Amino acid sequence: DVKVTQSSRYLVKRTGEKVFLECVQDMDHENMFWYRQDPGLGLRLIYFSYDVKMKEKGDIPEGYSVSREKKERFSLILESASTNQTSMYLCASSYRDPHRESTEAFFGQGTRLTVV
Amino acid sequence: QQQVKQSPQSLIVQKGGIPIINCAYENTAFDYFPWYQQFPGKGPALLIAIRPDVSEKKEGRFTISFNKSAKQFSLHIMDSQPGDSATYFCAASMTNRDDKIIFGKGTRLHILP
Repeated sequence: DVKVTQSSRYLVKRTGEKVFLECVQDMDHENMFWYRQDPGLGLRLIYFSYDVKMKEKGDIPEGYSVSREKKERFSLILESASTNQTSMYLCASSYRDPHRESTEAFFGQGTRLTVV
Repeated sequence: QQQVKQSPQSLIVQKGGIPIINCAYENTAFDYFPWYQQFPGKGPALLIAIRPDVSEKKEGRFTISFNKSAKQFSLHIMDSQPGDSATYFCAASMTNRDDKIIFGKGTRLHILP
C-alpha cells in the first residue's frame, strides 16, 4: 500500500512564526505536491516537485517555500505565518510514468493548520 | 486557461438516484481527467479516470462521460448509496508535458437513506 504521511494532523501557530509541514512517501515516487484545501475553493496547488531539489510554483506560491533534499520527503515552509494561511494542507505523491499512461496521486490525511 | 470548472457545489440525492457532477475545461492540452473522492477526515483518493480518446468509461457504479468537442466531462453514480456521500473533485493534467494535477472546486454529495 502506498503511504503518504504528514507529520501532524493539527497545528496551531502564532502569526509571524516560521512553520514547517513535513511529508514523507514510501513508494519511491518522483512527483510530490503540496495543496491547500479551503471550503468552496477546492484544492489549490502551492508547489510541485518532480525530482530531488527540483520545484515548480503552483497557483498560489506566495508566502510559501518548499524543500526537497531527499526523494521521499517534501517540506512546505511558511516563512512568516499569517492568519490567511489558516487552512487544510494536503501533501500528495505520484509516479512519473515514462509512458504517461497515468498520474494517479496518492494523498496524505492532511494537516489542519490554524494561525492565531 | 488552467482552470477546471465544476458544478454543482453541493448535491442531495435520494438513495438509488443518479447524481451527476459536471466539469468543464478550456485548455485543450489537458489529456488526462481523473475524479477523486474524499471522505471527511481523509485525503482524496482516485476514483476513476479517462483520457480524451474515449467518450465513456465505466467502473462499477461510476461512469465518466467525456465530450471532447464541448470540453466537458461528467461523473454519474448509478444506484447511489448513503456510503457514496463524500466530496468529489474532478481534475485535469497534461501528462504530455508534466504531471501537475489541476482540481475543480469540489462537489459535496449527500445521499439520503
